[in-house]
Amino acid sequence: QKEVEQNSGPLSVPEGAIASLNCTYSDRGSQSFFWYRQYSGKSPELIMFIYSNGDKEDGRFTAQLNKASQYVSLLIRDSQPSDSATYLCVVKDTGRRALTFGSGTRLQVQP
Amino acid sequence: KAGVTQTPRYLIKTRGQQVTLSCSPISGHRSVSWYQQTPGQGLQFLFEYFSETQRNKGNFPGRFSGRQFSNSRSEMNVSTLELGDSALYLCASSRLVDGGGSNSPLHFGNGTRLTVT
Repeated sequence: QKEVEQNSGPLSVPEGAIASLNCTYSDRGSQSFFWYRQYSGKSPELIMFIYSNGDKEDGRFTAQLNKASQYVSLLIRDSQPSDSATYLCVVKDTGRRALTFGSGTRLQVQP
Repeated sequence: KAGVTQTPRYLIKTRGQQVTLSCSPISGHRSVSWYQQTPGQGLQFLFEYFSETQRNKGNFPGRFSGRQFSNSRSEMNVSTLELGDSALYLCASSRLVDGGGSNSPLHFGNGTRLTVT
């Protein structure tokens, strides 16, 4: 079983809709959670991080964390074609110190 | 401020050869991490260097090694190449060790695409 699981997609949503990206992780010791976005042929870039249970909003992005269920999600409101990319869920375990990346979910926003 | 620079962008090698990849971090960043990205496995952590010392290591065989110089530039070496080593190798720099936190996010380079034939 992979340590960080994501549906590979593609997840297709119409422009203006809400895109919901989900991620589960296996290590209960995980402390920090990140979402990176990677455009095709480009390197990953950090878009959100969350440490505490609940929701965290940043512009059109909302990260949600439920440590009891070992579940992290990213909501993108008013999706734009420019949001079309692969979204990587990343987990950091304080004990191991390194980052563990999910395989990513490819999002396609249809104009 | 210049970003993370990786050279070369593309490499083609044959099985059994060795290869060295280079990474220049953002000015002022002292931590350099290396990742392997493949379609099947996604991004996998190789190792992290900080102040010329390896601080973290992933689950890769000893054929994969690295080093960091006093100017924070880093090199990664893969010896006795195998077909399965074909991948995009990404370097990321951060200001602090254990990069990835909100106060020290990772900044990735554009990667070196290695093809082993």
